[in-house]
Amino acid sequence: QKEVEQDPGPLSVPEGAIVSLNCTYSNSAFQYFMWYRQYSRKGPELLMYTYSSGNKEDGRFTAQVDKSSKYISLFIRDSQPSDSATYLCPIANDYKLSFGAGTTVTVRA
Amino acid sequence: DVKVTQSSRYLVKRTGEKVFLECVQDMDHENMFWYRQDPGLGLRLIYFSYDVKMKEKGDIPEGYSVSREKKERFSLILESASTNQTSMYLCASGFRGRGTEAFFGQGTRLTVV
Repeated sequence: QKEVEQDPGPLSVPEGAIVSLNCTYSNSAFQYFMWYRQYSRKGPELLMYTYSSGNKEDGRFTAQVDKSSKYISLFIRDSQPSDSATYLCPIANDYKLSFGAGTTVTVRA
Repeated sequence: DVKVTQSSRYLVKRTGEKVFLECVQDMDHENMFWYRQDPGLGLRLIYFSYDVKMKEKGDIPEGYSVSREKKERFSLILESASTNQTSMYLCASGFRGRGTEAFFGQGTRLTVV
């Protein structure tokens, strides 16, 4: 079983829409959760970091962790064409990050 | 700003060649990683290193080796390149410790013909 599963999409939304991205993970012992954003032909960059359960908000971005369901989510409000990218939700497993497939998002102007 | 620099953005090599991918970081990070990224498969860990001269196999080490002679530099070696190693290769670094983030380079697009 993979440590983290993510629907690869692709996801296409109109500008201004709310984007909802989800991942599931296998081990309830995981405590550190991140979202990375990767623009085309670039390396991934850290977008959000959360520890344990709960919500974290940063501007238009909200990350949620539900440890009881082993489910993590990222919401993007008022989406912009500049949000078009691949979004990755790695799990911090020991001293390394384990990634899923990533979800490719296109925001149409 | 953290900087992780990979020596090449694009590389084309022939089957059977020995290929070196170089990565340098400037933040004194203990950990360094090599991933490959393929459509639909995401990022898969090839090797990582938590100290100079130390290395650990990741999920897909077959056909690869690594070298870390200095703290800031981590090299990925394809001993005999094959077409199934055509991919995007990403180097990353981070501080030692559980749950620490990784900082990525811009990637090397390797094509083996």
